[in-house]
Amino acid sequence: EAQVTQNPRYLITVTGKKLTVTCSQNMNHEYMSWYRQDPGLGLRQIYYSMNVEVTDKGDVPEGYKVSRKEKRNFPLILESPSPNQTSLYFCASRGTGQGAYTIYFGEGSWLTVV
Amino acid sequence: RKEVEQDPGPFNVPEGATVAFNCTYSNSASQSFFWYRQDCRKEPKLLMSVYSSGNEDGRFTAQLNRASQYISLLIRDSKLSDSATYLCVVIKAAGNKLTFGGGTRVLVKP
Repeated sequence: EAQVTQNPRYLITVTGKKLTVTCSQNMNHEYMSWYRQDPGLGLRQIYYSMNVEVTDKGDVPEGYKVSRKEKRNFPLILESPSPNQTSLYFCASRGTGQGAYTIYFGEGSWLTVV
Repeated sequence: RKEVEQDPGPFNVPEGATVAFNCTYSNSASQSFFWYRQDCRKEPKLLMSVYSSGNEDGRFTAQLNRASQYISLLIRDSKLSDSATYLCVVIKAAGNKLTFGGGTRVLVKP
């Protein structure tokens, strides 16, 4: 089954404590990205990756890091989380060629920073 | 001005009625357009692509108006299960940047 899996699904953490949200896809997709969703602001792209070792900033990259060492994995790293990073996060992937633009999303990760 | 804008709603729709709403985009070079459906705090899922000539999928009809730079979604014979937030997605030409609208909330009531 085609899947994008992200963990943890729910996390409460404290300001400044580094955390990583993992994302893995089993569809051999080249393109992966991270979004955050906040009330009234919709989905905003944080970072995206076109392929292994190729990453680029989205619209709201400040306070986040990513890496793409393997095609299937695209972790989101918050080096020093702050309360304004409390949000719902989605990882997504899509392939190239036919159906290139169908975006598959993970189930979301609820992050609260206190 | 936002790149992609939607009326946030909610659109309160009686069961069985028709509802339509638009999504406007600011970049005339935008190339591809999609409608996604998102249930409350769940992941968005593809509803349908939007083709230049307009397209239909069951009770759903999507249209593109390039001159006025908007896409539309029409839902006929609304079902209670159609209650959701509908997100439009716009992809710029020759790029991989996807921009989401803020979503239009639809509530279908008995």
